[in-house]
Amino acid sequence: EVQLVESGGGLVQPGGSLRLSCAASGFTFRSFWMSWVREAPGKGLEWVASIKPDDSEIKYVDSVRGRFTISRDNAKNSLYLQMNSLRADDTAVYYCAKVGINTVVTRGGPFDIWGQGTKVTVSS
Amino acid sequence: EIVLTQSPATLSLSPGERATLSCRASQTISNYLAWYQQKPGQAPRLLIYDASNRATGIPARFSGSGSGTDFTLTISSPEPEDFAVYYCQQRSDWPLTFGQGTRLEIK
Repeated sequence: EVQLVESGGGLVQPGGSLRLSCAASGFTFRSFWMSWVREAPGKGLEWVASIKPDDSEIKYVDSVRGRFTISRDNAKNSLYLQMNSLRADDTAVYYCAKVGINTVVTRGGPFDIWGQGTKVTVSS
Repeated sequence: EIVLTQSPATLSLSPGERATLSCRASQTISNYLAWYQQKPGQAPRLLIYDASNRATGIPARFSGSGSGTDFTLTISSPEPEDFAVYYCQQRSDWPLTFGQGTRLEIK
């Protein structure tokens, strides 16, 4: 079964840090771009970051560039998001998502597999 | 940044009544558009990719059309489980962007 399972969310104070993890199974993780997408309370979906299979190319939305770092470990089938200098407006459910169409490798989408999400709350 | 504008914000229909959802891009994106369905408390689910291709396991009542800047998601005869929020997303250029969503609600 193709599956993504996120972990690492929680409550953190403004200015603090958090590291999210995403464990992948059921597909050839090392072949696909992977992404993080978030959903703030009462808001829509926002793409956060994407990473190429060999991590030679990484993209960020402007609002997190310089504060967040996406990375991956293909040997462990895992994706990560290191979040520093967190702000109240980073409060959201963070989803890990596979980029592609079944076995077809694509670059910026679509997101064909999603995890269940992990909640991040930034508050004092 | 490519802005995607979805309309209407809310669509109120009865089950079985044809649903037409629109997504307009601020610049041409060829056919690099996807549609997702999201229900409360759940992760989004891919419905349509590259404007008109149904994802695996998606019922035939869902169809997508369009190219360039104007796109449409049609649900021919919505079932009760189809009432949800729908998002479009473009992969033509970075940053990747989503529309603000259309809520399909039961009338």
